[in-house]
Amino acid sequence: DIVMTQSPDSLAVSLGERATINCKSSQSVLYSSNNETYLAWYQQKPGQPPKLLIYWASTRDSGVPDRFSGSGSGTDFTLTISSLQAEDVAIYYCQQYYTTPFAFGPGTKVDLK
Amino acid sequence: EAQLLESGGGLVQPGGSLRLSCVASGFMFSRHWMSWVRQAPGRGLEWVANIKQDGSEKFYVDSVKGRFTISRDNDRNSLYLEMNSQRVEDTGVYYCARGAEIWNVWGQGTTVIVSS
Repeated sequence: DIVMTQSPDSLAVSLGERATINCKSSQSVLYSSNNETYLAWYQQKPGQPPKLLIYWASTRDSGVPDRFSGSGSGTDFTLTISSLQAEDVAIYYCQQYYTTPFAFGPGTKVDLK
Repeated sequence: EAQLLESGGGLVQPGGSLRLSCVASGFMFSRHWMSWVRQAPGRGLEWVANIKQDGSEKFYVDSVKGRFTISRDNDRNSLYLEMNSQRVEDTGVYYCARGAEIWNVWGQGTTVIVSS
């Protein structure tokens, strides 16, 4: 099974500043036959279900603000919030969908400094 | 607006059974793979199972194989999860979600507590 890890566990960022979250998979999630990277990012606010932010490692889902961006390839990935807003306080999860069992990272909590 | 509404959660004893339901609205249910994803306290998010549009293909995480059964009724726009031989570690919030492997519509979840 592919194991996902994230760092840091939590971070506090000032309004308007950049937040960077890292994700690592235990094996590559790049499918060579189509050159697609099977990595997604979700945001979860307290008392709410997760919300899909990014898929294919860097494609924003419909309606997701462009301050959210995803990057990376192979086994190392990054979610960047370019200018943190108050409504971005949440837990962020990466998830691989390269193979079953689809697996999430443990989450990174983002708070305001 | 696409919506999913789960029901059927509750308190069950170890070894017991429970059936979760999820009703979809606002989109063509029959055109989408559907999934169950759970979230246990302290254990994060875990994909549980998914089912193809016509129900012909189903996949499960190993920890529930042989105990849980995913099914759907496209005429009723409904998804189900039959849970048998439940264990304490099955405790959590169970979400119904649209999609096979990534999920862009989620229900609010239904809580399952397995405890004696």
